[in-house]
Amino acid sequence: GAGVSQTPSNKVTEKGKYVELRCDPISGHTALYWYRQSLGQGPEFLIYFQGTGAADDSGLPNDRFFAVRPEGSVSTLKIQRTERGDSAVYLCASGGDSHEQFFGPGTRLTVL
Amino acid sequence: DQQVKQNSPSLSVQEGRISILNCDYTNSMFDYFLWYKKYPAEGPTFLISISSIKDKNEDGRFTVFLNKSAKHLSLHIVPSQPGDSAVYFCAASAQSGLYGGSQGNLIFGKGTKLSVKP
Repeated sequence: GAGVSQTPSNKVTEKGKYVELRCDPISGHTALYWYRQSLGQGPEFLIYFQGTGAADDSGLPNDRFFAVRPEGSVSTLKIQRTERGDSAVYLCASGGDSHEQFFGPGTRLTVL
Repeated sequence: DQQVKQNSPSLSVQEGRISILNCDYTNSMFDYFLWYKKYPAEGPTFLISISSIKDKNEDGRFTVFLNKSAKHLSLHIVPSQPGDSAVYFCAASAQSGLYGGSQGNLIFGKGTKLSVKP
């Protein structure tokens, strides 16, 4: 596809469970970002990949959160032992040579 | 403490008039600024950007002004249309140029909900 895609669009899970959120960036974009958006807030940075490596993971809230991008394209955000406070929309963005970042539609995570 | 602030949670404008959305920032290291528009249940859509070496950038009905001394930027939409009704986010980046390209995470404001009434 032409844009960033994210799956699933919605995920409902129970407290304590493990979840994986997937992001397919725009083809050819080397930079990939994960953000989290809570109600009434702007997106908050989680982690940034340049190619396969995490160039900046300073936004990950704790060690329950982890992300990978093994082949420099698709990325997976993994959350262990989910908590109710993890409920939010998780946004992925990718970027090429320009400064602009292009966002996917997001995954709405609800932890019951 | 918020580094990017959008102090107006909402703005209502008549169709055809000018919409002015404001944004303030505190970090003098920011060197690239962007505006995104967001409709419900969709991801943010890039609208327009400006580098800190400029004070104005125009794209059709959208113009962004940057006042570095005041650490303030604004987005002007003229003329406003009902389809412009959305939440607008201001974002800033502090690492452009370090590696080139779109490097560096964005710091977002909380957004301003614009309603354009017919």
